[in-house]
Amino acid sequence: DIQMTQSPSSLSASIGDRVTITCRASQSISSYLNWYQQKPGKAPNLLIFAASSLQSGVPSRFSGSGSGTDFTLTVSSLQPEDFATYYCQQSYSTPSFGGGTKVEIK
Amino acid sequence: QVQLVESGGGLVKPGGSLRLSCAASGFTFSDYYLSWVRQTPGKGLDWISYISLSGETIYYADSVKGRFTISRDNAKNSLYLQMNSLRAEDTAVYYCARQVVATIGGDAFDIWGQGTLVTVSS
Repeated sequence: DIQMTQSPSSLSASIGDRVTITCRASQSISSYLNWYQQKPGKAPNLLIFAASSLQSGVPSRFSGSGSGTDFTLTVSSLQPEDFATYYCQQSYSTPSFGGGTKVEIK
Repeated sequence: QVQLVESGGGLVKPGGSLRLSCAASGFTFSDYYLSWVRQTPGKGLDWISYISLSGETIYYADSVKGRFTISRDNAKNSLYLQMNSLRAEDTAVYYCARQVVATIGGDAFDIWGQGTLVTVSS
């Protein structure tokens, strides 16, 4: 099984900040990496697929990069509605998710 | 409106059974792969089962293999998860999720239901 490790597990940021979340796979997964946003009491919402492709309807301040084992999700200018938990997920083999990164208001 | 709606969750005793349903609308159900994903309260996400378009290919996570059975009825636009021999560690919110295959490779869960809570406790 492929293990996905996210860092940090939580962070505090202010409106307008640039935020970067990292995801590392236990083996190479090419670009088969997705990012989701989840708000309390809601289902996850797909943001980025195939490492860097923006899902339809997702604001352009979200971007993804990386390949192989190391990936990043960047929010260029944090907005109030972006405070949430973010998960990475690999689709190279049997799906597995990272442990999540909670983005909180500073 | 494209949506998935789960039902069937509830409180069940250890060793008991429960059947979850997921009703789809707003898209051609038979064109999509589907999965069940669960989330332990306050914790992360775990994929547990996958089913192909006509149900000919099925996968399970080791944690549920032999106890859970996934199925679909394309005529009823519905996905199911039969859960037997339930354990306390199966307590979670269960989501059904639609999978889309990216043209550049890989797939992703692009539509999720609202989730249904399963609590296994005596």
